[in-house]
Amino acid sequence: AQKITQTQPGMFVQEKEAVTLDCTYDTSDPSYGLFWYKQPSSGEMIFLIYQGSYDQQNATEGRYSLNFQKARKSANLVISASQLGDSAMYFCAMRGVVSGGYNKLIFGAGTRLAVHP
Amino acid sequence: GAVVSQHPSWVICKSGTSVKIECRSLDFQATTMFWYRQFPKQSLMLMATSNEGSKATYEQGVEKDKFLINHASLTLSTLTVTSAHPEDSSFYICSARDLDGRMNTEAFFGQGTRLTVV
Repeated sequence: AQKITQTQPGMFVQEKEAVTLDCTYDTSDPSYGLFWYKQPSSGEMIFLIYQGSYDQQNATEGRYSLNFQKARKSANLVISASQLGDSAMYFCAMRGVVSGGYNKLIFGAGTRLAVHP
Repeated sequence: GAVVSQHPSWVICKSGTSVKIECRSLDFQATTMFWYRQFPKQSLMLMATSNEGSKATYEQGVEKDKFLINHASLTLSTLTVTSAHPEDSSFYICSARDLDGRMNTEAFFGQGTRLTVV
């Protein structure tokens, strides 16, 4: 069965510092994709970064980078130079093949990040 | 990036009435749309996968007669919560995948709809 695990319910970071949000996954599918989303209090899901299982290099998008360790089945999100606006809920998700032939995203429980001035 | 628009952003309805939520792909054609439900302080749970021109595929435990999904065109899917009850109050959010199956398009979500049933 496919599963995403986020073990940190909450994280605190000082403004301008870097923070790592943990995500581990479990799948037997050789082809999969990993996503990170930010969900502010308004509720919208903001796509941050994507890593394909066959990508050789770690994905980066501005201040976001994904530390992809395939052997460990981990896909941690690193946010550099934290800003107050980064305070939100962060979800890790995995895309894989499911029944009926349609892929779907499986989400972790989320990590609430609070950035302090 | 792909733009997915969801309407309304919030709705309050009386118990026993039905509510329709729309999900539109604005700059691409979506063969598949996904409907999620999120309870407070919880993660997103997939309710159903909506395919243009065919019946939706519901996840286990989701009542298909209660949550009616229609995907009549390549840019629009609707979720109708029928005979809503207070326990249906939740945040509903959709995402969409484009015709070409580009992986990243399904990464984009609508703004979500906060439903409150009184």
